[in-house]
Amino acid sequence: DSGVTQTPKHLITATGQRVTLRCSPRSGDLSVYWYQQSLDQGLQFLIQYYNGEERAKGNILERFSAQQFPDLHSELNLSSLELGDSALYFCASSVDHLDRSPAFGPGTRLTVT
Amino acid sequence: GESVGLHLPTLSVQEGDNSIINCAYSNSASDYFIWYKQESGKGPQFIIDIRSNMDKRQGQRVTVLLNKTVKHLSLQIAATQPGDSAVYFCAENTGGFKTIFGAGTRLFVKA
Repeated sequence: DSGVTQTPKHLITATGQRVTLRCSPRSGDLSVYWYQQSLDQGLQFLIQYYNGEERAKGNILERFSAQQFPDLHSELNLSSLELGDSALYFCASSVDHLDRSPAFGPGTRLTVT
Repeated sequence: GESVGLHLPTLSVQEGDNSIINCAYSNSASDYFIWYKQESGKGPQFIIDIRSNMDKRQGQRVTVLLNKTVKHLSLQIAATQPGDSAVYFCAENTGGFKTIFGAGTRLFVKA
């Protein structure tokens, strides 16, 4: 157990809908990362937050957004969902924004039908 | 459990044998490399890392070798156990936030 928690574990929704994925980092970690893992794209970095502020962006679609709250938990919002958004979404956390091997949570499996 | 990828390269080894998982990385500027293990239904788990100023690093039952000349990384697992069955990812980092993951290799351990 990495100490990173994610909810929900599974999510099934329809195209065009909007969902919110939630992540709580390990105790003491200030930085949160979001990754998408699909069958054809592998693990792709989406976005990073550090102490409430966006730090870096990767291959994140404009339909997706995220934020990190004062209590350091983070949410990833996915809107106008498409079939291709079906994937595992992982949150990871690290002590600071310079840690290059963050700890991963168990993931949320999103299925868009 | 959930499948990470249906078309991953697969390595099948006998329990007790040594495993070698290979990875080619893409960026010659990468200076930090990580191996992760992902079991079915779980997130990637850090195994071992190596910086570019080293060519070998050992952990408990695992060794990572780095060949910068040919941009190649390998993970050696000694005395492979059934619990080692998982997908293994190499990852490269050029500094800062962005870690690029390889496609992964599925390791099957036969009892």
